[in-house]
Amino acid sequence: NAGVTQTPKFRVLKTGQSMTLLCAQDMNHEYMYWYRQDPGMGLRLIHYSVGEGTTAKGEVPDGYNVSRLKKQNFLLGLESAAPSQTSVYFCASSYFRDNSYEQYFGPGTRLTVT
Amino acid sequence: GEDVEQSLFLSVREGDSSVINCTYTDSSSTYLYWYKQEPGAGLQLLTYIFSNMDMKQDQRLTVLLNKKDKHLSLRIADTQTGDSAIYFCAETPAYGSSNTGKLIFGQGTTLQVKP
Repeated sequence: NAGVTQTPKFRVLKTGQSMTLLCAQDMNHEYMYWYRQDPGMGLRLIHYSVGEGTTAKGEVPDGYNVSRLKKQNFLLGLESAAPSQTSVYFCASSYFRDNSYEQYFGPGTRLTVT
Repeated sequence: GEDVEQSLFLSVREGDSSVINCTYTDSSSTYLYWYKQEPGAGLQLLTYIFSNMDMKQDQRLTVLLNKKDKHLSLRIADTQTGDSAIYFCAETPAYGSSNTGKLIFGQGTTLQVKP
């Protein structure tokens, strides 16, 4: 199993450009999440999905959109990138076991918006 | 609302014990987690504890939970240079019909281990 993979690993965008980050998991997990990590702020949830075809807003959804057309993939889109979106983006997936959820994380995408 | 707080930095000498602390506010939290993030990598689950427990031990790791004070700690015995990383505390409510498996993370504690 590859676990959770993210594409690309690094990206530099100019303000106003758009891009899509791809997350893929091969563990048949129902739940998937997108976080951003900024220094001193931990991880903040952007959007999440509890199953194929469903998405919901997290703590910091503005400026981002997501889609979950297939169970194994969760896409994060930036329609018009802003410097405030410079961050490291992590995808995670989880399943329910022993009354708990265990989240598995991808390696991250480092995005710089100039 | 839900909030998780951690101190930002801890420095110890190799071979000493490390204690990383976390406080949380959600009284309905029943699972609390410790994740480790090495430089340039994603988060890796170290351990978790159910709120009806007050201690959990796993090799060099000991988790202590004081539910009354909403205080969680992670003790690493015989700390090694390979333990240098950022450690995140996280909470999630118990499973229920509306549960989504979302985690609320603290800011992370950077552990520096000096040889």
